[in-house]
Amino acid sequence: AIRMTQSPSSFSASTGDRVTITCRASQGISSYLAWYQQKPGKAPKLLIYAASTLQSGVPSRFSGSGSGTDFTLTISCLQSEDFATYYCQQYYSYPPLTFGGGTKVEIK
Amino acid sequence: EVQLVESGGGLVKPGGSLRLSCAASGFTFSSYSMNWVRQAPGKGLEWVSSISSSSSYIYYADSVKGRFTISRDNAKNSLYLQMNSLRAEDTAVYYCARDPGYSGSPGAFDIWGQGTMVTVSS
Repeated sequence: AIRMTQSPSSFSASTGDRVTITCRASQGISSYLAWYQQKPGKAPKLLIYAASTLQSGVPSRFSGSGSGTDFTLTISCLQSEDFATYYCQQYYSYPPLTFGGGTKVEIK
Repeated sequence: EVQLVESGGGLVKPGGSLRLSCAASGFTFSSYSMNWVRQAPGKGLEWVSSISSSSSYIYYADSVKGRFTISRDNAKNSLYLQMNSLRAEDTAVYYCARDPGYSGSPGAFDIWGQGTMVTVSS
């Protein structure tokens, strides 16, 4: 199974900050990577697929990049509604489809 | 409105069984692969199982293989997860999720239900 490792596991940031979350795959996954946002008590929400394609309706302050084994999710100007946990997921090799452990973005 | 609504969760004893359902509306259910994803309390997301639009392709995580069975009824716009031989480590919120087919094979999940809680405890 492909292991997905996110870093950091959590951090604090302020509204207006530019933040970057990293996801590393244990082997190459081309661009078969998705990013999700999850708020407490809610289902995950798809933000980005194919490593860099923004899902319809997602604000343009979210962007994704990378291919192969190293990927990043960037929020260009953090808004109050962006404080949440973010997960990456690979769909290059299955089963299993695998998620990263999550990155919690907290208010500083 | 595109919507997925899970039901069937609850408290069950170790070794017991439970059947989860997911009712789809607002889209052509029969055109999409569907999935179950779970999340143990305070933990991350774990993919459980996938089923293709016509049920031709079915996949399971090793942790549930041989105990869980995914199925669907396209006439009823419904997805199911039959869970047998339940263990404490199966305790989680179970989500059904739609695969939009961006990759032509199991992929990302664009629509999620609200989840149903399964608790396995004596």
